[in-house]
Amino acid sequence: QSALTQPASVSGSPGQSITISCTGTSGDVGGYNYVSWYQQHPGTAPKLMIYDVSNRPSGVSYRFSGSKSGNTASLTISGLQAEDEADYFCSSYTSSSTYVFGTGTKVTVL
Amino acid sequence: QVQLMESGGGVVQPGRSLRLSCAASGFTFSNYPFHWVRQAPGKGLEWVAVISYDGFHKYYADSVKGRFTISRDNSKNTLYLEMNSLRGADTAVYFCARDEEGPDYWGQGTLVTVSS
Repeated sequence: QSALTQPASVSGSPGQSITISCTGTSGDVGGYNYVSWYQQHPGTAPKLMIYDVSNRPSGVSYRFSGSKSGNTASLTISGLQAEDEADYFCSSYTSSSTYVFGTGTKVTVL
Repeated sequence: QVQLMESGGGVVQPGRSLRLSCAASGFTFSNYPFHWVRQAPGKGLEWVAVISYDGFHKYYADSVKGRFTISRDNSKNTLYLEMNSLRGADTAVYFCARDEEGPDYWGQGTLVTVSS
């Protein structure tokens, strides 16, 4: 049950697009389309931003999009805004019927 | 609206036990699986356990297997986490989360501190 690998930090200027990667194995990310992404501001609970690789829950901005290729999933934030500054975590269902989270990425808006 | 509220956290000595609760409202509790997820201070999210909608199927992270037990009472709309043989590494905020093809709605969390 090793954590999925994410870059520790990603930064961008307002209006730019950034992409966060989430790398696992064929036993988790690569084997299932149950990849989710969460946004977490300091001191608050995580908020679901993407589920099933690329689906946005109601109320989440269209600026957030997800995709997957092989064992790596990605979250793209377009038109970066100050409010997007937060920690982002991916998660995946696994072949052991468990779940695993990513190591987390701190997004900084310059 | 969906609401999840954890309780039961606190300071506990190593080797002791603690039971967390998660009260749910705003939806049909018995229709959904549930997760416990924890976050050590300043660290990332760690998945702990999941329970099926009927309570028959339970899965655990290796780090807690044999020490923690997830359970639910659908008549009370409440999820539980029984934690035994607690260690310093178990110190974290514990979140409950509803499952909809992965955790979707989360509670605000309850802090468990394991310290002598």
